[in-house]
Amino acid sequence: KAGVTQTPRYLIKTRGQQVTLSCSPISGHRSVSWYQQTPGQGLQFLFEYFSETQRNKGNFPGRFSGRQFSNSRSEMNVSTLELGDSALYLCASSGAGGGTDTQYFGPGTRLTVL
Amino acid sequence: ELKVEQNPLFLSMQEGKNYTIYCNYSTTSDRLYWYRQDPGKSLESLFVLLSNGAVKQEGRLMASLDTKARLSTLHITAAVHDLSATYFCAVAYNQGGKLIFGQGTELSVKP
Repeated sequence: KAGVTQTPRYLIKTRGQQVTLSCSPISGHRSVSWYQQTPGQGLQFLFEYFSETQRNKGNFPGRFSGRQFSNSRSEMNVSTLELGDSALYLCASSGAGGGTDTQYFGPGTRLTVL
Repeated sequence: ELKVEQNPLFLSMQEGKNYTIYCNYSTTSDRLYWYRQDPGKSLESLFVLLSNGAVKQEGRLMASLDTKARLSTLHITAAVHDLSATYFCAVAYNQGGKLIFGQGTELSVKP
């Protein structure tokens, strides 16, 4: 079974630009969660999508948004990039997003904002 | 607000020794996870603990959960160099997929 895939793996952007990251979950998984990892703040939850609906949201500004498609693939968008948005962005998928499900993480997208 | 704290944050061990990583969390939760992260890599799932008294073992790693004390432990037995990595515990915020992570414990096992 193929794992969680994320594209692109690396991105370099400049301040003020916007970026879209993509995540394809494990086949059959309906929940996709996004996390930001930085050396200073650690791993922080961004949001979770389940059956095309945002089910949970973290404490990030509105510049961070996401969506999920009918095939469970998810995209995350960051508008008006700031230097502090440089991070590893991880997505994770699980079967139903709860219960006993384990979240399986993708390889991540490393975003650098110059 | 759910908070998760790990200690120690850094751990340097000799091969063959035993040690324990602790994970405390502030409010009730029904799931606790342990993950491993190698440098430059993503997170690898190690254990899911669902109930009070749960104990799971895989190789030299054993995880346990005490929901009354809001404490989980990851015990390392007879450490080997291959166990060098950063270990995270994560607690489920609610019934959904929101996990709150600890700061991570960077483990270095030296020969």
